[in-house]
Amino acid sequence: AQTVTQSQPEMSVQEAETVTLSCTYDTSESDYYLFWYKQPPSRQMILVIRQEAYKQQNATENRFSVNFQKAAKSFSLKISDSQLGDAAMYFCAYSYSNYQLIWGAGTKLIIKP
Amino acid sequence: NAGVTQTPKFQVLKTGQSMTLQCAQDMNHNSMYWYRQDPGMGLRLIYYSASEGTTDKGEVPNGYNVSRLNKREFSLRLESAAPSQTSVYFCASRQSQATQYFGPGTRLTVL
Repeated sequence: AQTVTQSQPEMSVQEAETVTLSCTYDTSESDYYLFWYKQPPSRQMILVIRQEAYKQQNATENRFSVNFQKAAKSFSLKISDSQLGDAAMYFCAYSYSNYQLIWGAGTKLIIKP
Repeated sequence: NAGVTQTPKFQVLKTGQSMTLQCAQDMNHNSMYWYRQDPGMGLRLIYYSASEGTTDKGEVPNGYNVSRLNKREFSLRLESAAPSQTSVYFCASRQSQATQYFGPGTRLTVL
């Protein structure tokens, strides 16, 4: 069965610094998608970035980038120049076949001013 | 363009009561989903609808029913609410390329 593991329940970083959130997953599929979603206190689930497994190039979206290691089944999120508005729960998710999303338990990111 | 909307935002029920959570999307997406989120956990899929007229069970379907009323609307019904169904419920929709877009959620408390 596919699983997604986020081993860091909580991370903190100083404003303007860089932080990396970890995610590992288990699958026997070769073609799939990986996502990072952000959930601020408002509860809204917001897409941060996504990666197609067939693409070797790591996805980037402004200050957000991923390190996708397919063989190691690792998908980490790097946030550069952290801002107060980045404080939220971050969820890693995996999608396959009929595009059901399998979710990790989340990492709470705290930004210190 | 409102995206995915959900009603109500909050609801308190007594054990045994029934209710329907409403979801609508204006993005012309084919697929729609219902998830629940419990404290300290990621989302878990309750039911999904790959296209208008079809529905399928997800990981935790027991105690729920769904209706895909039309392409825009996908409702979730609790026939006899139980305290174990206290959770935050999210609706999502998807057109292609796997990305799902989420509504704002409904916080449900069952006493």
